[in-house]
Amino acid sequence: RKEVEQDPGPFNVPEGATVAFNCTYSNSASQSFFWYRQDCRKEPKLLMSVYSSGNEDGRFTAQLNRASQYISLLIRDSKLSDSATYLCVASRNRDDKIIFGKGTRLHILP
Amino acid sequence: SAVISQKPSRDICQRGTSLTIQCQVDSQVTMMFWYRQQPGQSLTLIATANQGSEATYESGFVIDKFPISRPNLTFSTLTVSNMSPEDSSIYLCSVDLAEVEFFGPGTRLTVL
Repeated sequence: RKEVEQDPGPFNVPEGATVAFNCTYSNSASQSFFWYRQDCRKEPKLLMSVYSSGNEDGRFTAQLNRASQYISLLIRDSKLSDSATYLCVASRNRDDKIIFGKGTRLHILP
Repeated sequence: SAVISQKPSRDICQRGTSLTIQCQVDSQVTMMFWYRQQPGQSLTLIATANQGSEATYESGFVIDKFPISRPNLTFSTLTVSNMSPEDSSIYLCSVDLAEVEFFGPGTRLTVL
């Protein structure tokens, strides 16, 4: 089983809609979680960290479910500029390597 | 965050040659990493570049193929040696700042 798994998509969503995708992780010792965004032919950029209590940043909400070992990302009122690949990341502790999922492709349609 | 630059941004190389990629950070960082991202794939960690000591390689990657230098806390190089078409990929360096990784813009390598 892969350490971090994501639905590769693509998710084709009309502009203004709400979209959510999940990411599962296999290592129950994972401590830190993040969502990165990667635009085509660009490097990954940190979108947001994921905290145990869940956190929100504008239109973006991240949730962590430790019991089921998944994290989620919700995007409200989606914009054309949200089109990208979203990478899920998990790591065990500060000194451990982080594991990237393969990413979920999101296309926002006009 | 950190400002990270990589050189070259892209290159086309012949089979059997070697290419050295440079990564420069605008601040001193303890942890620097090198990743590879092949088309349609996620990032794969090649090695951790340790300042003042040998790099720590992940399974499947060896020093002879990917020698790494880390002469100081702001700079590292990755060499892709004796290249083959299978080495065509994007190579990214990253740094760990406050437990978050930030990436350089990547080097797009094509091996003919």
